[in-house]
Amino acid sequence: EAGVAQSPRYKIIEKRQSVAFWCNPISGHATLYWYQQILGQGPKLLIQFQNNGVVDDSQLPKDRFSAERLKGVDSTLKIQPAKLEDSAVYLCASSPPRTGNQPQHFGDGTRLSIL
Amino acid sequence: QQQVKQSPQSLIVQKGGISIINCAYENTAFDYFPWYQQFPGKGPALLIAIRPDVSEKKEGRFTISFNKSAKQFSLHIMDSQPGDSATYFCAASFNFGNEKLTFGTGTRLTIIP
Repeated sequence: EAGVAQSPRYKIIEKRQSVAFWCNPISGHATLYWYQQILGQGPKLLIQFQNNGVVDDSQLPKDRFSAERLKGVDSTLKIQPAKLEDSAVYLCASSPPRTGNQPQHFGDGTRLSIL
Repeated sequence: QQQVKQSPQSLIVQKGGISIINCAYENTAFDYFPWYQQFPGKGPALLIAIRPDVSEKKEGRFTISFNKSAKQFSLHIMDSQPGDSATYFCAASFNFGNEKLTFGTGTRLTIIP
């Protein structure tokens, strides 16, 4: 089974610029998550989708971050404009339809550096 | 109340020894407790998970011990190997993992020969 695919792997931009990340979840996985992992910390949820609907975006800084999941498959996360504190690894995870325990499978992330 | 506290921050264990990492939580509504292993440049990978109706779960060299009354759980790695050197995160979730994971701060484990 192919894992969660993310691109790009690395991105360097200057503050106030915009950036977008792409995620392709495991085939058939209905739930998709975006997490932010700042260096030395555990991942923190930004947004959760169930199919193409938003379940939880309570910790998404909506003045600068946006995310969409068209057709309930791929997802993009955008930051506009970027701030220095956005430097982090952005992880995408997916899990199967809601039956029993649902392990979340993570991609390898996009490492974002803001200059 | 949704925090998960993890200790120690770093751990050095001799090859063949037992590595023990501890976590504590506050919210008794959590019902799913996974442990993730993360290598540099990689995403977290699920190691083992437990639900609060079980006090212990073992998979190979990895064991979770769960103390519901103390709101604590721990990961034990038996016969630790250099390949186990990584960062380990405990986490907690609601609804059997169908909701967001709340992660601990991580433990950097180093296994020395």
